[in-house]
Amino acid sequence: DSGVTQTPKHLITATGQRVTLRCSPRSGDLSVYWYQQSLDQGLQFLIQYYNGEERAKGNILERFSAQQFPDLHSELNLSSLELGDSALYFCASSVDQGSSYEQYFGPGTRLTVT
Amino acid sequence: GQSLEQPSEVTAVEGAIVQINCTYQTSGFYGLSWYQQHDGGAPTFLSYNALDGLEETGRFSSFLSRSDSYGYLLLQELQMKDSASYFCAVGNYGGSQGNLIFGKGTKLSVKP
Repeated sequence: DSGVTQTPKHLITATGQRVTLRCSPRSGDLSVYWYQQSLDQGLQFLIQYYNGEERAKGNILERFSAQQFPDLHSELNLSSLELGDSALYFCASSVDQGSSYEQYFGPGTRLTVT
Repeated sequence: GQSLEQPSEVTAVEGAIVQINCTYQTSGFYGLSWYQQHDGGAPTFLSYNALDGLEETGRFSSFLSRSDSYGYLLLQELQMKDSASYFCAVGNYGGSQGNLIFGKGTKLSVKP
């Protein structure tokens, strides 16, 4: 158990819908990262927050957004969902930005868009 | 940009030694991390090399050569439970940024 929690574990929704994925980092960790993992794309970095502020963006679509709240939990919002958005979404955390080489991953949310 | 290359699949037998290589191209290199992911599971951190040389953690060792932009993960005394995907990752941290870019992963199959 990494100490990172993610909800829900599974999500099935239809195209065009909007969903919110939630992540709570390990106690004391200030940095939160979101990743998308699909079969043919590996682990794709989406976005990073540090202590409530956005710090780095990867290959995140404009239909996706995220935020980190004062209690450090984070949410990833996916809207206008398409079939291709079906994937495993992981949240990870690290103590701070300098420790980003050692990230602790949550169990993931499996999103299925039908 | 950044890119990492690692073999897509490796097969070995129980008790053997296997080496998973990773070459990278990156601007502003800070270090090389390795993660393990079992099917259906989450990635877990294995090791990190910031400096050249070998880092050993039990049956697993990781090596880095900054001049060759190359590293490897060495798994000794392979066990069935080592069957998993292994990812190398480079950091893009410093200043206001800090995130990892992952390779596509190497699927290791350990046979009896």
